[in-house]
Amino acid sequence: KQEVTQIPAALSVPEGENLVLNCSFTDSAIYNLQWFRQDPGKGLTSLLLIQSSQREQTSGRLNASLDKSSGRSTLYIAASQPGDSATYLCAVMDYGGATNKLIFGTGTLLAVQP
Amino acid sequence: DTGVSQDPRHKITKRGQNVTFRCDPISEHNRLYWYRQTLGQGPEFLTYFQNEAQLEKSRLLSDRFSAERPKGSFSTLEIQRTEQGDSAMYLCASSSGLRGRLETQYFGPGTRLLVL
Repeated sequence: KQEVTQIPAALSVPEGENLVLNCSFTDSAIYNLQWFRQDPGKGLTSLLLIQSSQREQTSGRLNASLDKSSGRSTLYIAASQPGDSATYLCAVMDYGGATNKLIFGTGTLLAVQP
Repeated sequence: DTGVSQDPRHKITKRGQNVTFRCDPISEHNRLYWYRQTLGQGPEFLTYFQNEAQLEKSRLLSDRFSAERPKGSFSTLEIQRTEQGDSAMYLCASSSGLRGRLETQYFGPGTRLLVL
């Protein structure tokens, strides 16, 4: 059974710092890995999707890497801003299901201090 | 696209009552998902529809839960005889199905349920 873990559970950084969020998964047989952002009391917004054949994806100040063999992904945020404060969730879509359901980690709560 | 919408946004009910939530996916998205998120946890998959067919149900979906998507457009999730453990955020997501397993899912704002 696929399990997804995220560390740290919470992170507080001063504005302008570069930071890394970590995600690990137990079964490397995945189709893709996605990073989402969730603002308090809101739904999820997709940030980046990395196909299993890819090593990384970039969007603006965000860079996500994937090492499928070791079951790890990182989300790098450059020059953090207070507006980046949110919960970041990673999710995998694995071969185990007949559908495109996502298996989520518990998230990292990020606070960027002005 | 107007995005995925969910109604109501908040629901407070007493234990034992029935509740129904509605999800309107992005138009022309034929795939629809329901997830449940409890406080401090990531979302957990509940069920999946392709058009009007319910193709997968999680073991989390007990007999008290039922989901429908009668015309392949909007979907409803009903919880009968609610229990305090049902208190959670219920999230709906949709996708077009055009890119198979390479596409993202678009999430609605969720319905937050509190069972007293």
